[in-house]
Amino acid sequence: DTEVTQTPKHLVMGMTNKKSLKCEQHMGHRAMYWYKQKAKKPPELMFVYSYEKLSINESVPSRFSPECPNSSLLNLHLHALQPEDSALYLCASSQVWGSTEAFFGQGTRLTVV
Amino acid sequence: QQPVQSPQAVILREGEDAVINCSSSKALYSVHWYRQKHGEAPVFLMILLKGGEQKGHEKISASFNEKKQQSSLYLTASQLSYSGTYFCGTDLNAGNMLTFGGGTRLMVKP
Repeated sequence: DTEVTQTPKHLVMGMTNKKSLKCEQHMGHRAMYWYKQKAKKPPELMFVYSYEKLSINESVPSRFSPECPNSSLLNLHLHALQPEDSALYLCASSQVWGSTEAFFGQGTRLTVV
Repeated sequence: QQPVQSPQAVILREGEDAVINCSSSKALYSVHWYRQKHGEAPVFLMILLKGGEQKGHEKISASFNEKKQQSSLYLTASQLSYSGTYFCGTDLNAGNMLTFGGGTRLMVKP
């Protein structure tokens, strides 16, 4: 199984809502990542988890709150988002936190209204 | 700082070759290449570590010039399935904290 599964595939939320994005992998990978991708732009790194600990936060606003409950699961909690936060949110995993192949999920397309 | 990719877009006929370049102003630990088709996840192609190695994967190969901080992706005898956006990702210190270039849109026509 070389899949990274993200749910939901699409999400529309209001600026006062609270929602969560979910990412799951069963490859035994110990590093997991959140990326944000705007249309026709490259992915931008948001967070890195290594062995379930937050290792990197790329100056992401606090309205985005990551969580890694276990080695297979990564969540991104969303609260009080702005319309400019609308984007494709990609989760990725790699065997370890190092320069190695990363597997990406299909992403969650988020629209903030 | 974002690496610079060139060209931004290229159109090929099936069987033609293409080269995509990726250039950084910073010393790199590694360069990663991904392909993303519309509406799909980026798919890993290869990693090149500093040392100037060249790698190949079927008809796709890449090189990394550590002195110039440049990498090139070579697509030979292109197939329709090669269409997509190619991103190079640069890693400064083996942390897999990739900064992706702006992408190169490749379209292969029959």
